[in-house]
Amino acid sequence: NAGVTQTPKFRVLKTGQSMTLLCAQDMNHEYMYWYRQDPGMGLRLIHYSVGEGTTAKGEVPDGYNVSRLKKQNFLLGLESAAPSQTSVYFCASSWSTGRVGYTFGSGTRLTVV
Amino acid sequence: DAKTTQPPSMDCAEGRAANLPCNHSTISGNEYVYWYRQIHSQGPQYIIHGLKNNETNEMASLIITEDRKSSTLILPHATLRDTAVYYCIVRVVQNAGNMLTFGGGTRLMVKP
Repeated sequence: NAGVTQTPKFRVLKTGQSMTLLCAQDMNHEYMYWYRQDPGMGLRLIHYSVGEGTTAKGEVPDGYNVSRLKKQNFLLGLESAAPSQTSVYFCASSWSTGRVGYTFGSGTRLTVV
Repeated sequence: DAKTTQPPSMDCAEGRAANLPCNHSTISGNEYVYWYRQIHSQGPQYIIHGLKNNETNEMASLIITEDRKSSTLILPHATLRDTAVYYCIVRVVQNAGNMLTFGGGTRLMVKP
């Protein structure tokens, strides 16, 4: 039982390149989320999904796209990476009832040069 | 969701109880208090949550004042591995989104 797995763990991109971050959970959670955390800051919500085939914008969605084609996977895409997107990205999942905590992945450290 | 206020940092001696306060004076009746922590470079970890009664689990205890305007997370016997940033979050449990808003948190340093 791995919980929430994020791949890759580290990545360096050049400005303008694209990439996809993968999040996979094996707990059958309905809800999934993508957060970013900049140095010394709290987490900010990028996008989230309340079920397969549905996504919604969070606090800082610009420059990112997401897809949830399968219940267990939530993909975060950067179409044209910018240095401002240098950050640590965390994926999380939860039950729909919301009365229990989120389970977070270990993060993806992305540097855009 | 109600805003929370936490001290930016605290120290605690190893083996002693760590008491982390959180003020949420604008909390409404249907908002829960959640606590998470983040150990350096790791993803946040859920600790405990409550509505109005005190709660205890294997990790910590949560004490919520009667007027619900503040709460305290208690780590009964802090160890060096408890050094982390602790986040107090207040939010409504809702069917859509269930978004968590993370603020600055309290950086707890457990010292030998």
